[in-house]
Amino acid sequence: AQTVTQSQPEMSVQEAETVTLSCTYDTSESDYYLFWYKQPPSRQMILVIRQEAYKQQNATENRFSVNFQKAAKSFSLKISDSQLGDAAMYFCAYRSANNDMRFGAGTRLTVKP
Amino acid sequence: GAVVSQHPSWVICKSGTSVKIECRSLDFQATTMFWYRQFPKQSLMLMATSNEGSKATYEQGVEKDKFLINHASLTLSTLTVTSAHPEDSSFYICSARGRWTVGGRTDTQYFGPGTRLTVL
Repeated sequence: AQTVTQSQPEMSVQEAETVTLSCTYDTSESDYYLFWYKQPPSRQMILVIRQEAYKQQNATENRFSVNFQKAAKSFSLKISDSQLGDAAMYFCAYRSANNDMRFGAGTRLTVKP
Repeated sequence: GAVVSQHPSWVICKSGTSVKIECRSLDFQATTMFWYRQFPKQSLMLMATSNEGSKATYEQGVEKDKFLINHASLTLSTLTVTSAHPEDSSFYICSARGRWTVGGRTDTQYFGPGTRLTVL
């Protein structure tokens, strides 16, 4: 079974600074997707960024970018120019070819003004 | 507007009663629905996956007779917690994958806003 590991239960960043959230996963599949989701206090899951495993280029969405290391099975999220609104729980997720999505334990991000 | 909605957003019930949670998609045909459970300060745990018109596939450790899932149409899935007990108190989230009613397929998985269940 696939597992997703987020080793940082909590992270803190100063407003306008950059922070990197770590994620590793374990799989024997070659075709899969990786995601970062944000869950604010409202509990609504919001897609931040996604990466197809077959793509070598790291995905980027405005201030959010990933460092996808397929061989190392690592998928970290970098948030640049952090804003107060970025404060939330961040979940790394893996979706296999059979469409099953599994989540890591989450990282709580605090943004200090 | 939201692609996936859930009703109710929160519910309190007495132990032993059954509670039904509805998950609807808007302008979207949910060919596959996923139900997750999230305990406080924990991650989302997949409970079951259902394809429209088929029986749900439950994850190991999830009692199918206790958590009844019906996915009778492309826009509605329901989760019924039967004979609820305090340990069933949790946040339940549905998620949908499928195709737009107008405009073709997407492989994005859309999440509902969740339902908080409290069993007294």
